[in-house]
Amino acid sequence: GENVEQHPSTLSVQEGDSAVIKCTYSDSASNYFPWYKQELGKGPQLIIDIRSNVGEKKDQRIAVTLNKTAKHFSLHITETQPEDSAVYFCAATPMDSNYQLIWGAGTKLIIKP
Amino acid sequence: NAGVTQTPKFRILKIGQSMTLQCTQDMNHNYMYWYRQDPGMGLKLIYYSVGAGITDKGEVPNGYNVSRSTTEDFPLRLELAAPSQTSVYFCASSYLAGGEGQFFGPGTRLTVL
Repeated sequence: GENVEQHPSTLSVQEGDSAVIKCTYSDSASNYFPWYKQELGKGPQLIIDIRSNVGEKKDQRIAVTLNKTAKHFSLHITETQPEDSAVYFCAATPMDSNYQLIWGAGTKLIIKP
Repeated sequence: NAGVTQTPKFRILKIGQSMTLQCTQDMNHNYMYWYRQDPGMGLKLIYYSVGAGITDKGEVPNGYNVSRSTTEDFPLRLELAAPSQTSVYFCASSYLAGGEGQFFGPGTRLTVL
């Protein structure tokens, strides 16, 4: 079955710098890759997603890139702000399961003032 | 528009007790999901539903049961609680299939002693 690995587990960056979180997946047939942000004490919130027929997607300060050949996708956050501090999760939907997201273990992003 | 609501927020159970975690959504979404989140881990799918009257097992269904009598409600039942069920439980709903576009509730923190 699908397996999603996420790195790093903790990332500390200076406010204003960029942050990059990377995920790798094992099932080459996976076709949907969302990123979720989870603030302390809250449920995850979808922030951006990408499908397998697209290489890059941007939404203001965040972007996601997908490399199907290498089976990895990355979240890029530019001009980081204190409110970006949270845990970020990547996920993938394998072709053999229409409803199940396979999740990475999460990255705790710390923005230093 | 309250989105996805969950009750209770916190609960402590003794081993062998039973309880029902409530989940309600007011977005008229067909798809609903129950996840558990263990410390430092990603989310694991317990059960999901594609519409009223239709449910199916996810990755970790043992020890749990669900029902979906209405579009709005998707309760999760724990029978004979065990310490291994200590976790944070999240309910989610979506209007898209394939695990896409999920909205999460605030979670229920359950401790089994």
